[in-house]
Amino acid sequence: EVQLVESGGGLVQPGGSLRLSCAASGFTFSSYWMSWVRQAPGKGLEWVANIKQDGSEKYYVDSVKGRFTISRDNAKNSLYLQMNSLRAEDTAVYYCARDRAADGGSDYWGQGTLVTVSS
Amino acid sequence: DIQMTQSPSTLSASVGDRVTITCRASQSISSWLAWYQQKPGKAPKLLIYKASSLESGVPSRFSGSGSGTEFTLTISSLQPDDFATYYCQQYNSYTWTFGQGTKVEIK
Repeated sequence: EVQLVESGGGLVQPGGSLRLSCAASGFTFSSYWMSWVRQAPGKGLEWVANIKQDGSEKYYVDSVKGRFTISRDNAKNSLYLQMNSLRAEDTAVYYCARDRAADGGSDYWGQGTLVTVSS
Repeated sequence: DIQMTQSPSTLSASVGDRVTITCRASQSISSWLAWYQQKPGKAPKLLIYKASSLESGVPSRFSGSGSGTEFTLTISSLQPDDFATYYCQQYNSYTWTFGQGTKVEIK
């Protein structure tokens, strides 16, 4: 059974940092692109970043470029999101998602972890 | 960046109704479009990928169509479990974007 379990969310002050983790199981993690998607309270979905199977390609939404870094450790079946210089507008539930091997879409999602940026 | 615009934002319908949601892209995305369903407090669920391919396990009352810049999600006969928010997502470019969502409410 495919499982994605996020962790690392919490309350952080503006300007602070947080590292999210996503533990994957039930599939060959190193064979899939992976994504982070967020959802601010009461708002819609926003794609944040994705990363190629071997970590050689990474893409970000403009609003997090230079502040967030996506990475992965295929030996540990884990995906990460390092978030620096956090702002109030980064407050959201952050989901990790597996991207389908072919033809696109994200077919498995974690339950999400809440990040709250507030003083 | 490619912008995705869904309509309507909210839709009121009854069980058994045929429901259609539209998604328009600011530029051609070929067929690189997915549809998701999300219920409150839950992660999104993939319904349709590559504009018209039904994800495994998704009921056949869901269908997708379109290419280029205009796409539709159709629910042929709305069921009680279908009241939720629906999002389109383009993945034509290296950076992906979602539509703003369409909430399907009980009439």
